[in-house]
Amino acid sequence: GQNIDQPTEMTATEGAIVQINCTYQTSGFNGLFWYQQHAGEAPTFLSYNVLDGLEEKGRFSSFLSRSKGYSYLLLKELQMKDSASYLCAVRGNTNAGKSTFGDGTTLTVKP
Amino acid sequence: NAGVMQNPRHLVRRRGQEARLRCSPMKGHSHVYWYRQLPEEGLKFMVYLQKENIIDESGMPKERFSAEFPKEGPSILRIQQVVRGDSAAYFCASSPPTGQGVNEQYFGPGTRLTVT
Repeated sequence: GQNIDQPTEMTATEGAIVQINCTYQTSGFNGLFWYQQHAGEAPTFLSYNVLDGLEEKGRFSSFLSRSKGYSYLLLKELQMKDSASYLCAVRGNTNAGKSTFGDGTTLTVKP
Repeated sequence: NAGVMQNPRHLVRRRGQEARLRCSPMKGHSHVYWYRQLPEEGLKFMVYLQKENIIDESGMPKERFSAEFPKEGPSILRIQQVVRGDSAAYFCASSPPTGQGVNEQYFGPGTRLTVT
């Protein structure tokens, strides 16, 4: 099975940097995803990591360590619109395509 | 290039009625997933389908819930004899055939089911 842990809530200041951690225990691994979900809306894809290391995409970066079962999402130059829930999801190596989601981290950005 | 479409966006049912939720995947996508999300909680996997096949239904309740993805038409999530605990947002996602790129899932806007 899959077990995914991430903090429930985080608060940060506009313009700052925040790191959202995700740890996972899985019976197989075929990639880790980060999604952003604003209240009342659908999740939208942010990043994908399958190899160890850092993937950078604009203000957002995602890191993966497969040996440690650990990932983080780094958000730079925070904006008020970044207030949302951030979901970590792991795809196992069975039933390719199926992902298991963590409960999400609700980020509040304050002025 | 339309995204994932779900309808209805909002559905109200009385206890004991049936709820039918529809999902049309993105063009070219052959994999469909259904998730349920309760308020303040994460997405819980329900079922993964390809055309005319249920690949993984390990997240589906044993009774009252069923899903299909026919050769023609949208995927349907059907909930029979709804109870108040079924009230939630139901999201559908689709992805390209396996092996095509990252294969991330694209989510529809969701159907918010309220059981009164």
